[in-house]
Amino acid sequence: TQLLEQSPQFLSIQEGENLTVYCNSSSVFSSLQWYRQEPGEGPVLLVTVVTGGEVKKLKRLTFQFGDARKDSSLHITAAQPGDTGLYLCAGPKTSYDKVIFGPGTSLSVIP
Amino acid sequence: DAGVIQSPRHEVTEMGQEVTLRCKPISGHNSLFWYRQTMMRGLELLIYFNNNVPIDDSGMPEDRFSAKMPNASFSTLKIQPSEPRDSAVYFCASSPSGGETQYFGPGTRLLVL
Repeated sequence: TQLLEQSPQFLSIQEGENLTVYCNSSSVFSSLQWYRQEPGEGPVLLVTVVTGGEVKKLKRLTFQFGDARKDSSLHITAAQPGDTGLYLCAGPKTSYDKVIFGPGTSLSVIP
Repeated sequence: DAGVIQSPRHEVTEMGQEVTLRCKPISGHNSLFWYRQTMMRGLELLIYFNNNVPIDDSGMPEDRFSAKMPNASFSTLKIQPSEPRDSAVYFCASSPSGGETQYFGPGTRLLVL
């Protein structure tokens, strides 16, 4: 059983569409991170959310941490082909725990 | 600034051979992590070091895997003997503070025939 679950597993959309991907757990996390991994590369950190209910924006990407710190969402507005990649959520249950990764959502944005 | 450097980028070997993967972390980072990524299992933490000392190796699959960090600027992950099921992408990552912000290398794509 995955400690962090992500949905959907795969997503293929047209350029210009909006989308939301989700990261869920039955456990509380002290923080959650979102990474994007492009084909043939390592994951790159996009954002870290720490406070329950926190919302962070990074250009067209909006990240939210659930009030109970058990879930997070990533919303992309007007998706572009450059957004294509594997989106991974990750986090430590406490600040002393190692970081664990979810299985990822593979996003494909078609021009 | 140089990021995390891994070598080789690609490795093809035959079952039973020894494989050594190398990693140079970002200068000044205290923590180093080795991960394995496959389609079936996703990104799995194998081992991590803090100040060159192995802290958690519970993810190392079996005795065929070993990792060392002889100094702050170099680490190796060795598989001996290698098996086809070890085929995966192996990532090294480093962190300045202990894990919450990790910087990944480009990975080594290993194929064991």
